[in-house]
Amino acid sequence: DAGITQSPRYKITETGRQVTLMCHQTWSHSYMFWYRQDLGHGLRLIYYSAAADITDKGEVPDGYVVSRSKTENFPLTLESATRSQTSVYFCASSENPLSYEQYFGPGTRLTVT
Amino acid sequence: GENVEQHPSTLSVQEGDSAVIKCTYSDSASNYFPWYKQELGKGPQLIIDIRSNVGEKKDQRIAVTLNKTAKHFSLHITETQPEDSAVYFCAAPAWGGTGKLIFGQGTTLQVKP
Repeated sequence: DAGITQSPRYKITETGRQVTLMCHQTWSHSYMFWYRQDLGHGLRLIYYSAAADITDKGEVPDGYVVSRSKTENFPLTLESATRSQTSVYFCASSENPLSYEQYFGPGTRLTVT
Repeated sequence: GENVEQHPSTLSVQEGDSAVIKCTYSDSASNYFPWYKQELGKGPQLIIDIRSNVGEKKDQRIAVTLNKTAKHFSLHITETQPEDSAVYFCAAPAWGGTGKLIFGQGTTLQVKP
């Protein structure tokens, strides 16, 4: 089905491990975003990408790495997971910056023990 | 940069009553104000938005009002139903026209039957 998907939906990992969260969209949207959602903080932008091979930091980028070799994929990697990175992660996409409307994936709940 | 404050953090109403959620923003140049609804276990979804050239927009039971002078906008839900129970987020564009949004902290709305 068309849309935006995330995998895995749930992940438990240990402190210090590397973990990659996947995001895939079928609309060929240029813009893609990664957010984390924590109680009391709403949605905070981690990284975003304006096109393939173009990425930039958001509000809370420390400890995360992104890449975008293809328009449809935007993986987020936690290089060395910490307990403070326990959160729900959402990927989103947008057709163009002027429309601003973002389409969100279903989220990945990550627990770092 | 843009800062978005959202109140209240939780709101409980009886079915059939109205609900109002308010947001303030800091950047007077902002011109687009969306509201997202997040149902349990899902990603946020755009439900209504308003651009700065209008003061109010309605879509059935939901409406958004904008006061540019005071730099605040509100979501109004009338005749609330149990399926309106969700987390609601307001947002405003981040500086720079990059398509990024700054989200409020979220409001958990509970509609009691």
